[in-house]
Amino acid sequence: AQTVTQSQPEMSVQEAETVTLSCTYDTSESNYYLFWYKQPPSRQMILVIRQEAYKQQNATENRFSVNFQKAAKSFSLKISDSQLGDTAMYFCAFMIRDKIIFGKGTRLHILP
Amino acid sequence: DGGITQSPKYLFRKEGQNVTLSCEQNLNHDAMYWYRQDPGQGLRLIYYSQIVNDFQKGDIAEGYSVSREKKESFPLTVTSAQKNPTAFYLCASSIWLAGQNEQYFGPGTRLTVT
Repeated sequence: AQTVTQSQPEMSVQEAETVTLSCTYDTSESNYYLFWYKQPPSRQMILVIRQEAYKQQNATENRFSVNFQKAAKSFSLKISDSQLGDTAMYFCAFMIRDKIIFGKGTRLHILP
Repeated sequence: DGGITQSPKYLFRKEGQNVTLSCEQNLNHDAMYWYRQDPGQGLRLIYYSQIVNDFQKGDIAEGYSVSREKKESFPLTVTSAQKNPTAFYLCASSIWLAGQNEQYFGPGTRLTVT
């Protein structure tokens, strides 16, 4: 079965600190995409970052970066210089062909 | 602007009534999806459609029905057979192209059944 596991249900960090959210997944496929989505209190799902599984280089988007370990099936998200607006639910997901599977999410609180 | 619209944002129904949630996209995406979100459960796939006039059950299809008569539209009906219909419902669409794969989401509909 294809699964995504986020082992941290909830986290809190001080503003300006760096935080890492964990994600592991399980699939026998070799061609897939990995994502981190953010869901703020408005509940709109927002794509944070995307990683193609065939690329070894870790994706970065401004303050957001990933640590992609394909052999270990690990895909963690690092948020640098965290801001109050980063407070949200974060979902890890992977996409195979046109089907996407989500983890249960990590609720992140950025404290002033 | 291209995107996905879901209406209404909040919906209230009495138990025993069927209710249809709207989802429209103008992104020219082939695939469309319905998810249900409950606290602590993440997103669970209800139904998805890869092309017009075709759709497949997701993980929790019981008590739901869909249609895909047009590429732009993928309405979801929550029937009276759904035992616990109160939830947040998200519609999404996607296209499978090299380097462009992701799901785009609508703003969601909060359904409350009493």
